[in-house]
Amino acid sequence: SYVLTQPPSVSVAPGQTARVTCGGDNIGGKSVHWYQQKPGQAPVLVVYDDTDRPSGIPERFSGSNSGNTATLTISRVEAGDEADYFCQVWDSNNDYVFGAGTKVTVL
Amino acid sequence: QVQLVESGGGLVKPGGSLRLSCEASTFTFSDSYMTWIRQAPGKGLEWVSYMSSSGRSIYYADSVKGRFTISRDNAKKSLYLQMNSLRAEDTAVYYCASALPRYLDSWGQGTLVTVAS
Repeated sequence: SYVLTQPPSVSVAPGQTARVTCGGDNIGGKSVHWYQQKPGQAPVLVVYDDTDRPSGIPERFSGSNSGNTATLTISRVEAGDEADYFCQVWDSNNDYVFGAGTKVTVL
Repeated sequence: QVQLVESGGGLVKPGGSLRLSCEASTFTFSDSYMTWIRQAPGKGLEWVSYMSSSGRSIYYADSVKGRFTISRDNAKKSLYLQMNSLRAEDTAVYYCASALPRYLDSWGQGTLVTVAS
């Protein structure tokens, strides 16, 4: 089945930009979705269809997808952005495939 | 946005059974594709099962195929997961989530299933 690869961790200073990558074979040909999960809470959709944001998600969260890498970008990082972030695609076998997750730490 | 509340989790012995429920608080439940996702302690997210709004399309992850059964009652705005022949590796928080259908737009708070003797 399809495999998504994420870095285990990303560290960023407050006010800076965090970039979380999600690698996959020709992932640019798929729609990528991103979820934020804070400790003890359920995941929350922050970006869908590569670049779109659900209502209520700050503009600081944006996404891109090309070639073999999709990227979630968090601009002007705040302490409240510290969380695990998971990428996800819908596989042709009707599977929901998730990356292993990236822990974003705000220094 | 759909509000979802799971219930039915608990401690069960290996080989035992458990039935999870997920109740929605919106009238659009009958139009919603629904999924179960699980997360083992300290681990990532794993898709478990998916059911279309009509119930005609059902899919399972290989890890649960033949042991778990997804179902829904649109009149009760509820989704279910019957879990049989439970194993230690099924220990996880189980979330229900609505699907659009390529992504999961609303999640419940989760219910913990622990399989241990």
